[in-house]
Amino acid sequence: QVQLVESGGGLVNPGGSLRLSCEASGFTLSDTYMSWIRQAPGKGLEWVSYISSNDPYVNYADSVKGRFTIYRDKAKNALLLQMTSLRAEDTAIYYCARTYNSGWDLNWFDPWGQGTLVTVSS
Amino acid sequence: DIVLTQSPATLSLSPGERATLSCRASQSVVGSLAWYQHKPGQAPRLLIYETSNRATGIPARFSGSGSGTDFTLTISSLEPEDFAVYYCQQQRSNWPPVIFGGGTKVELK
Repeated sequence: QVQLVESGGGLVNPGGSLRLSCEASGFTLSDTYMSWIRQAPGKGLEWVSYISSNDPYVNYADSVKGRFTIYRDKAKNALLLQMTSLRAEDTAIYYCARTYNSGWDLNWFDPWGQGTLVTVSS
Repeated sequence: DIVLTQSPATLSLSPGERATLSCRASQSVVGSLAWYQHKPGQAPRLLIYETSNRATGIPARFSGSGSGTDFTLTISSLEPEDFAVYYCQQQRSNWPPVIFGGGTKVELK
């Protein structure tokens, strides 16, 4: 069964760092595009970052560029998101999702994990 | 950037009723649309991709249609488990590479 499980969320001070993990089962994560998507409290969905399959290409939303890094741990079949210089506006539930693509274009996301909550507050 | 506007923001309906959810793009969508269902505390679930294709395991009461700037998700007869928030998403967007609509909440009347 294809499944994604996120972990690593928590409470962090502004300016702090956090690393999120997304462990995959039922498929090899490095064979597909993968994305991080977040939902701030009371808000809609916002794409954060994606990584391509093989010879990975990465891309970030302008709101996180230069602060977040997406990468894979092939040995653990996991997707990671290193978040630094965190701001209050980064407070959100973070979801990982397998990403269907056409060349460089992203199509849809399936499945999604249950999410992990990141709270940035002093 | 293209903006996806979903309407209405909230739809109050009873089980058995038909739900019609709109997703309007600020300019013509070159790609197609996907639709997701999201319940609190759960993972979002893909319902429709390529505007009108149901994802694996999605019941036939869910259907998608549209082109250009106007797209629709229809739930033909609401089941109790269908009350949730629904998001549209543009596929194959230039920048940003992923665009979501603001969501429509389907709530129990």
